[in-house]
Amino acid sequence: RKEVEQDPGPFNVPEGATVAFNCTYSNSASQSFFWYRQDCRKEPKLLMSVYSSGNEDGRFTAQLNRASQYISLLIRDSKLSDSATYLCVVILTTDSWGKFQFGAGTQVVVTP
Amino acid sequence: EPEVTQTPSHQVTQMGQEVILRCVPISNHLYFYWYRQILGQKVEFLVSFYNNEISEKSEIFDDQFSVERPDGSNFTLKIRSTKLEDSAMYFCASSDNYEQYFGPGTRLTVT
Repeated sequence: RKEVEQDPGPFNVPEGATVAFNCTYSNSASQSFFWYRQDCRKEPKLLMSVYSSGNEDGRFTAQLNRASQYISLLIRDSKLSDSATYLCVVILTTDSWGKFQFGAGTQVVVTP
Repeated sequence: EPEVTQTPSHQVTQMGQEVILRCVPISNHLYFYWYRQILGQKVEFLVSFYNNEISEKSEIFDDQFSVERPDGSNFTLKIRSTKLEDSAMYFCASSDNYEQYFGPGTRLTVT
C-alpha cells in the first residue's frame, strides 16, 4: 500500500459547482497534514493546513478523519482558476524533524 | 511578499558531471528542503536541513547527493556524478514550521 494515496482524477467540474476529493494515508502515527496546489510545470503552493477539527478558508474546506486515515478537500463555487493538481502532504513527526510524504495529486479541471 | 528563489532555472549537463543547484530560502526561515519531481510523477522528498545539519533524508538521497549552507543565505544541492535518471525538476523549500514555501525549481537535464 502506498503511504499517501490520491485519486488522480481528472475531476471535471462545471464552473460554480462543488468538488470534493480525499487523500488516504497509511501510517496512523502521521500528525500533520496539508493541501498544496500545483499548476502545470510550476512549484507546489501551500493551500491550507488541515486541522483536527476541520478548517475553512474561503471556498475551501479541509477535513481530517483520523479513524479512517484520510483527509479531504472540498472546493465550493469552483472558479476556472481552481484548475490545478491538488497535492496532499502528510508528515510523520520524528525525533529529528519530520518525514514529508506527498501524494501524486488529484487533477481538477473546471470548465466554463 | 518574501519568496524562495532558485538558480539556474534550467541546467543541462552531461552524464557523470557534477552539478550544484542553488537556492535562497526565505530569510527568517530555519528549515530547508530539497525535493525532486520527475516529469509526470509525484513530488519526492530528498532531504531536510536544520541548524547546519541534515534532519531527515530519503532513500533517494544517497552518497551522490550533498547539501550545504555555505553562507547565511544560500542553500545548495550538489549531485556529484549525474546519471540520466537524475533528470527532473528540483525544488527547494523553506519553512519556519511545517508549512513549506517552494521555490520555482531548477529543471535539470542530464544528457
